[in-house]
Amino acid sequence: GENVEQHPSTLSVQEGDSAVIKCTYSDSASNYFPWYKQELGKGPQLIIDIRSNVGEKKDQRIAVTLNKTAKHFSLHITETQPEDSAVYFCAASSRANFGNEKLTFGTGTRLTIIP
Amino acid sequence: KAGVTQTPRYLIKTRGQQVTLSCSPISGHRSVSWYQQTPGQGLQFLFEYFSETQRNKGNFPGRFSGRQFSNSRSEMNVSTLELGDSALYLCASSWGTGGNEKLFFGSGTQLSVL
Repeated sequence: GENVEQHPSTLSVQEGDSAVIKCTYSDSASNYFPWYKQELGKGPQLIIDIRSNVGEKKDQRIAVTLNKTAKHFSLHITETQPEDSAVYFCAASSRANFGNEKLTFGTGTRLTIIP
Repeated sequence: KAGVTQTPRYLIKTRGQQVTLSCSPISGHRSVSWYQQTPGQGLQFLFEYFSETQRNKGNFPGRFSGRQFSNSRSEMNVSTLELGDSALYLCASSWGTGGNEKLFFGSGTQLSVL
């Protein structure tokens, strides 16, 4: 089945600097790559997603890039703010036991913004 | 529009007991997926239901089961609880089914097995 690896597991950046989180996936058939942000005591919230027919997508301070050949995708957060502190999860679509697609998640990155 | 609602928020059980968790999806969403979240394993897929049918299943033992009702509300059940079942159980709903849909998560049920 699909394997999604995420790095780093923890990341601390100075407020105002940029943060980059990287993920690799194993299933070349994967075609949907969302990123989720989880704040303390809450469930994950979708912040941006990208499909395999697009190489880059941007939404204000957040951008995602996808390299299908290398099977990796990255989350970029610019001009970081204290409210960006959270755990971030990448995910990739993959075939599950019944042959239907499901999301496989990375193990998460705990991002801390230092004021 | 109300989000995904999970009840109860916290549960404490002892080994050998069983537990039922409930999830109410966003209005209009017909798919409900369940995930187990633990510090070491991240989010592990349990199963997905769409229109009252289980469409997908992860690699969990048969002690983990679920169902979906005609109003799209879903329940998951864990029988013969083990210490290792302690986790945050997350429910997510989506309009359609499959791995290409945007998932909307609830806040989860924190299960502690003593």
